[in-house]
Amino acid sequence: GAVVSQHPSRVICKSGTSVKIECRSLDFQATTMFWYRQFPKQSLMLMATSNEGSKATYEQGVEKDKFLINHASLTLSTLTVTSAHPEDSSFYICSARARDKIQETQYFGPGTRLLVL
Amino acid sequence: GQNIDQPTEMTATEGAIVQINCTYQTSGFNGLFWYQQHAGEAPTFLSYNVLDGLEEKGRFSSFLSRSKGYSYLLLKELQMKDSASYLCAVRDGISGGYNKLIFGAGTRLAVHP
Repeated sequence: GAVVSQHPSRVICKSGTSVKIECRSLDFQATTMFWYRQFPKQSLMLMATSNEGSKATYEQGVEKDKFLINHASLTLSTLTVTSAHPEDSSFYICSARARDKIQETQYFGPGTRLLVL
Repeated sequence: GQNIDQPTEMTATEGAIVQINCTYQTSGFNGLFWYQQHAGEAPTFLSYNVLDGLEEKGRFSSFLSRSKGYSYLLLKELQMKDSASYLCAVRDGISGGYNKLIFGAGTRLAVHP
């Protein structure tokens, strides 16, 4: 199956700092990558969709200047949480859609748990 | 609007069969997915339906009725490790071609001995 990695798996930072999360598709090319956020006991909420080489499309209510997304290549997307605050503490999960898979299944990374103090 | 409904919690006994239902109302439809998510982990893909009918894969089966906006996930021969959240997700088929997934809130399944 397709493998998606995320780094770091866990990060603790001080309020006001920026945190970068990397998402990589290890064994396939991902035309599209998605970034989700999940609060405890809630479902995944899509934050933004990014295509390689173009600007990300953000969901309503998600601040694009706060959550910077860069999809530099077909195997790498990064999410930067700028000036993080305690309310940004959450489980961030990326997902990549395989380019050559017929059903275009989305495969998820293992997630990054962010705690902002 | 977009709406995906599934039960919040279910319990079942080891070795039994459980059916998790999902109903959806979305602007477009281009496939329905079921994912399993253990606590603190990312979702893992279980099944995909785009045509009406039953898709069987080992102990797990998924059914879709597009006319009714309805799907279910059937888990047979339940094992303790099946205790997890099960997420129903619909790909909306629009959104500028990005085909984004819309997730339900998930069903937390607890399997007891």
